[in-house]
Formats: sequence, structure tokens, C-alpha cells
Amino acid sequence: GAVVSQHPSWVICKSGTSVKIECRSLDFQATTMFWYRQFPKQSLMLMATSNEGSKATYEQGVEKDKFLINHASLTLSTLTVTSAHPEDSSFYICSALQWTSGRAGTDTQYFGPGTRLTVL
Amino acid sequence: LAKTTQPISMDSYEGQEVNITCSHNNIATNDYITWYQQFPSQGPRFIIQGYKTKVTNEVASLFIPADRKSSTLSLPRVSLSDTAVYYCLVGDIGGYQKVTFGTGTKLQVIP
Repeated sequence: GAVVSQHPSWVICKSGTSVKIECRSLDFQATTMFWYRQFPKQSLMLMATSNEGSKATYEQGVEKDKFLINHASLTLSTLTVTSAHPEDSSFYICSALQWTSGRAGTDTQYFGPGTRLTVL
Repeated sequence: LAKTTQPISMDSYEGQEVNITCSHNNIATNDYITWYQQFPSQGPRFIIQGYKTKVTNEVASLFIPADRKSSTLSLPRVSLSDTAVYYCLVGDIGGYQKVTFGTGTKLQVIP
């Protein structure tokens, strides 16, 4: 159980184009999903918190107009990198928060496999 | 958000038990401790989660002392496939479970 998928697994695009990345929780519903970015040999950096049915909350320094997040259902969140540039090339990882009803404190983040974005 | 501190790297021979300790001095009452494993170009994989004392599952054990200011992930009899980066995370009960990733520990298993 607790499987999270991402699509695509990798994408190469030209500078100036927009790229959409999907994150799905396959066997559970996730009110909250997170988007991270990871550069080579570095740790994961939280970009934003995605809440179903409401606006995403962005971390300081992350441009909300550049990284558009839509959490339209309890199993799907999308991240759109608008007008991508080479400096946006990175490994993007989503996670979905699984709540265990009736047992406070046992909610856990499950991560997707990641999407490698390369902007030429 | 509680900050975590882990050793940057560790080496271990195959078949040995590996213990990775994480320091989280500012852990709050509502915080749980979760450990993840990450291979290159993959998303982190959940290993184990706990609040206090000891938790054990089929792949690891988690030891948390009474003051909860640190925790130790124990991997029994590691194999080459356990070579990865291990992250210790501390997050709030309920709410959004927003966490901050530290540097992680790069475990290298040697034949």
C-alpha cells in the first residue's frame, strides 16, 4: 500500500516552454501533497505544500507564478513549471500525506519516484 | 520545525549491523521521527516511524531515548543494496506534517 506515482519520469524541453508534472496517490486519498526539488548531491528542498481544493502554500524564495500547483482531487496534484529555463533543471519529487484515521500522529509522507527535468 | 543533525557518511562491511544516529535537540511534544532511504535518482522510501522507545519492522529498528533528543536507526546485516542516503525527519502530529530534510547520511556498504 501507500504508493505514489509521478509522470513523466523524465522530460527534456526547450527554454521558454512549460512543463507539467503529475503526482498521484494510487491507493489512498491525500488531502495534502508536497513538492520538493533536489539538485545533484544535495538534499531535498521543500518547494510548496499542496492542499486539495485550496491554494498551495509556497516556501520562501519559491516563485508561485513560475511553479503553478493544482491539487484538484484527493489523488492528484500537478506542478507546472512555466517558462522553464536551464536553471530550473532539477529532480522534482512529490509526496502525499497518508492519514491513519483514529491513530493520531501516525500520518506519514510517501514519496513518488521523482521527475528529472532537463531544460535546454 | 525541529532541525536534525546526522553524520554525513558512514562505511560498513556487508553482513554487519549499522546504527545511524540522528540528533534533534529541539524536538517538540507533537513531533514524530521518521526515517527514509533514498537511492540515486529515486524518491525517498519510507523505512520506519516512531514516537518513543523502540519500534521494529521487517527492515529496521528505531531506538528513541526517553528525552527524544536523538534517535538511532538500526539496520541488521546490511547488504550492498543498502548503499544509499538515509534521512531522519522530525514532523508534527497531524496538521500538514511539513518537514525539513537535513543532509542525510550516505551509507556505503563494502563487500
